[in-house]
Amino acid sequence: EAAVTQSPRNKVTVTGGNVTLSCRQTNSHNYMYWYRQDTGHGLRLIHYSYGAGNLQIGDVPDGYKATRTTQEDFFLLLELASPSQTSLYFCASSDQDTQYFGPGTRLLVL
Amino acid sequence: GQQVQQSPASLVLQEGENAELQCNFSTSLNSMQWFYQRPGGSLVSLFYNPSGTKHSGRLTSTTVIKERRSSLHISSSQTTDSGTYLCALERTNTNKVVFGTGTRLQVLP
Repeated sequence: EAAVTQSPRNKVTVTGGNVTLSCRQTNSHNYMYWYRQDTGHGLRLIHYSYGAGNLQIGDVPDGYKATRTTQEDFFLLLELASPSQTSLYFCASSDQDTQYFGPGTRLLVL
Repeated sequence: GQQVQQSPASLVLQEGENAELQCNFSTSLNSMQWFYQRPGGSLVSLFYNPSGTKHSGRLTSTTVIKERRSSLHISSSQTTDSGTYLCALERTNTNKVVFGTGTRLQVLP
């Protein structure tokens, strides 16, 4: 069974705050993804990576940085958080067929 | 415009009824997937189905590429089927996945 974990599960910060969301997968998958989910928009791709040190820009990258430090670990960075980034964030890994999702992180930016 | 459109947006069934969920797309694709999202938020892969028909228990997925549509059929629905069903396609020549906005299903006892 694929295993993708995310931390923290919930986070509250203030406008201008610095937030790091973590994702780890133990599936030896090359691809990892960060999405945000908002009512009316479904899941939207922020950034993705096909291996350690690689980063690809997704569809809604503004205000986000990401870093893939190892094959297992993919981080999403919000350096100056804004209320518009309040959302449910999902990480996923892929073997090029099926995507396996983490449990999600709820972020509230006040 | 929206590359992936799902219908209906919401659906209410009595337990035992069947459901047909639709996903229409306006772009060429490498693959099509269906996911189930639990009321608590986590996503579970149901099907990886780039073309043709696949079965899994009470679920059937059919993708017809040339008609740019995919469907998910749920037979003999149960209250535990309640949740949101999402389709997602991987666009041709990319590794980007685009999601539809989902169908919210409620199955009443």
